[in-house]
Amino acid sequence: DTAVSQTPKYLVTQMGNDKSIKCEQNLGHDTMYWYKQDSKKFLKIMFSYNNKELIINETVPNRFSPKSPDKAHLNLHINSLELGDSAVYFCASSHETPTGEQYFGPGTRLTVT
Amino acid sequence: GDSVTQMEGPVTLSEEAFLTINCTYTATGYPSLFWYVQYPGEGLQLLLKATKADDKGSNKGFEATYRKETTSFHLEKGSVQVSDSAVYFCALGGGNEKLTFGTGTRLTIIP
Repeated sequence: DTAVSQTPKYLVTQMGNDKSIKCEQNLGHDTMYWYKQDSKKFLKIMFSYNNKELIINETVPNRFSPKSPDKAHLNLHINSLELGDSAVYFCASSHETPTGEQYFGPGTRLTVT
Repeated sequence: GDSVTQMEGPVTLSEEAFLTINCTYTATGYPSLFWYVQYPGEGLQLLLKATKADDKGSNKGFEATYRKETTSFHLEKGSVQVSDSAVYFCALGGGNEKLTFGTGTRLTIIP
């Protein structure tokens, strides 16, 4: 009964490749997010979707493209991977209430060589 | 824009010591405040939250009070255990707004 799940957990790939990370939530939440955690553990929002519509896009390179096929899924596709894309990517979800907390997935550790 | 300033780590304490991790914020409006915890190799878990001024969030012996006058949300625990070793993040936001995180504080408890 995992609440927010991500696949894969680990992803090792070479520069220039294209890869995708998938996220699913079974909490019935309306809003989903992608965060990036760098090597110093700093967390920053990348995107958020509310009912399949993009509502936050935080100065992320065009190589990153989120896709939400339905409100329970938010996938992240990355084109032309670069060394600097190496990080842990977290998916999260929340209700649309003013005080609702976000629930996080276990993370995907992406290593670009 | 919104920001969160968190006590720099790492913090190392002996078991049963008192813990304080400072967190201050700047924000427009009246955001909710959160503490998240990240255990080694895992994702973030919500530890506690407070949604308005003077609210106290508490969980697993940890507490934090939303202080509007000092724009603070310090995390405290009276007696830490080895199992509390983790990275702690203060954050503000709520609802379908993004969370703005502090830089995280790594806590290590030694037996």
